[in-house]
Amino acid sequence: EAEVAQSPRYKITEKSQAVAFWCDPISGHATLYWYRQILGQGPELLVQFQDESVVDDSQLPKDRFSAERLKGVDSTLKIQPAELGDSAMYLCASSLLRLAGPLNEQFFGPGTRLTVL
Amino acid sequence: RKEVEQDPGPFNVPEGATVAFNCTYSNSASQSFFWYRQDCRKEPKLLMSVYSSGNEDGRFTAQLNRASQYISLLIRDSKLSDSATYLCVVMNSGGSNYKLTFGKGTLLTVNP
Repeated sequence: EAEVAQSPRYKITEKSQAVAFWCDPISGHATLYWYRQILGQGPELLVQFQDESVVDDSQLPKDRFSAERLKGVDSTLKIQPAELGDSAMYLCASSLLRLAGPLNEQFFGPGTRLTVL
Repeated sequence: RKEVEQDPGPFNVPEGATVAFNCTYSNSASQSFFWYRQDCRKEPKLLMSVYSSGNEDGRFTAQLNRASQYISLLIRDSKLSDSATYLCVVMNSGGSNYKLTFGKGTLLTVNP
């Protein structure tokens, strides 16, 4: 069964350092999402890509976070500099369809658990 | 008012029990509704979609009341393997884009 791949699975860093997370969506999935999930909360959308274009980054803290999906396939999320409050699980998801729709199921990767010391 | 609010939980029930989770949403224009399941330290996975007519999948029944902006999930004959966090999810659309908003989740522990 096809899966969304993410790496690393765990990352420990010190505040003010830069970190990067990688996501490889299910092959053929046009839409890719990055979520942040703080312990005890539900996932919160950070950024959504349709192919290589950003379609929603309204919740992305752009002063320190950046995301790219240059060739419309895999994606990288970067934080620079990391802050203590960035400690969370960073989840990547992908979906097949290009258009909106309730049947456009999102499949999640295993996530990257970030700890900022 | 938060976009999606769920029972705070946690719920601890014995095997075989029936348990119900409730969820409310604030945007009356929300289009689609889901329940996701998330095991400890794992990613969320779609459990079931929720339709206005109500829908059932084995031991799981989901209900939607658009007038009250209320969603529910009923689990009958609970199994140990049902222990997980259940996330209420609402989809809102903006043009050709759509966004999922997740509730905080309700933790269920089924005890032997």
